[in-house]
Amino acid sequence: GAVVSQHPSWVICKSGTSVKIECRSLDFQATTMFWYRQFPKQSLMLMATSNEGSKATYEQGVEKDKFLINHASLTLSTLTVTSAHPEDSSFYICSALRAEHHNEQFFGPGTRLTVL
Amino acid sequence: QKEVEQNSGPLSVPEGAIASLNCTYSDRVSQSFFWYRQYSGKSPELIMSIYSNGDKEDGRFTAQLNKASQYVSLLIRDSQPSDSATYLCAVNRVRNQGGKLIFGQGTELSVKP
Repeated sequence: GAVVSQHPSWVICKSGTSVKIECRSLDFQATTMFWYRQFPKQSLMLMATSNEGSKATYEQGVEKDKFLINHASLTLSTLTVTSAHPEDSSFYICSALRAEHHNEQFFGPGTRLTVL
Repeated sequence: QKEVEQNSGPLSVPEGAIASLNCTYSDRVSQSFFWYRQYSGKSPELIMSIYSNGDKEDGRFTAQLNKASQYVSLLIRDSQPSDSATYLCAVNRVRNQGGKLIFGQGTELSVKP
C-alpha cells in the first residue's frame, strides 16, 4: 500500500496555543486529503476535505476558523488547531486519496494531541 | 437506517478458525468498497478493496461483494491472535465528489489462542 506520514506523532500543549500537524503522501501525489478526529472508543469522524490549491471543505459542525487547513502541494496538507483547549484533545488522523486507483484512501499514523 | 452498517461485536473466534465480518450499505449506486483494520490506539490500515461482484482473495483475506443484496463481507482464514482488531467497512458513493468514504461503526474481532 501507499505511504502517508504525519508529524508530529504526539504533541502536548498549553491551552490557548496553536498546533500545526503535517500530513505527507510519500510515494504518490494526492490532490485530495482528508482530516479525521477520533475520540477514545469512538468512530472516526471526518472533519474536512483538503483540496490542493483550493479551500478546504468542512463537515457540518466543524469550525473552519478553529481548524485551519492548507493543502499547498500535491504531497502536503497541514491542519492547524488554533487556540487549542482541553476539549480539542484527541487523535487526529489524515488520509490521502489515490484517485487513479479507485479512490483508495491511505491513512497516516495519526497525531495524538493533548491540551493541558 | 445508517448508510453503512456492521455488527459492533465483539466477534470472538478461536485461533485457526475462519472469521466472517459482514457489512451492508444503503446507497445502491455505491461503487467502491474497502475494509480497514484498526488496532487499538492506531490509525486504520487498508487491507482489502473490491469494486465488482464476486470474491477477491489476498493471502488469508477474502472480500465478497454482492451489489444486488448491497452486502460486502470479509473472511479471514486461519485467524491469528494478531488479527484481533476493529475492522471498518467503508463505501465510496459515486455521487460524492472527491472520494469521501462512508464508514460503518466497525466490528471488534477477538481471536483467542
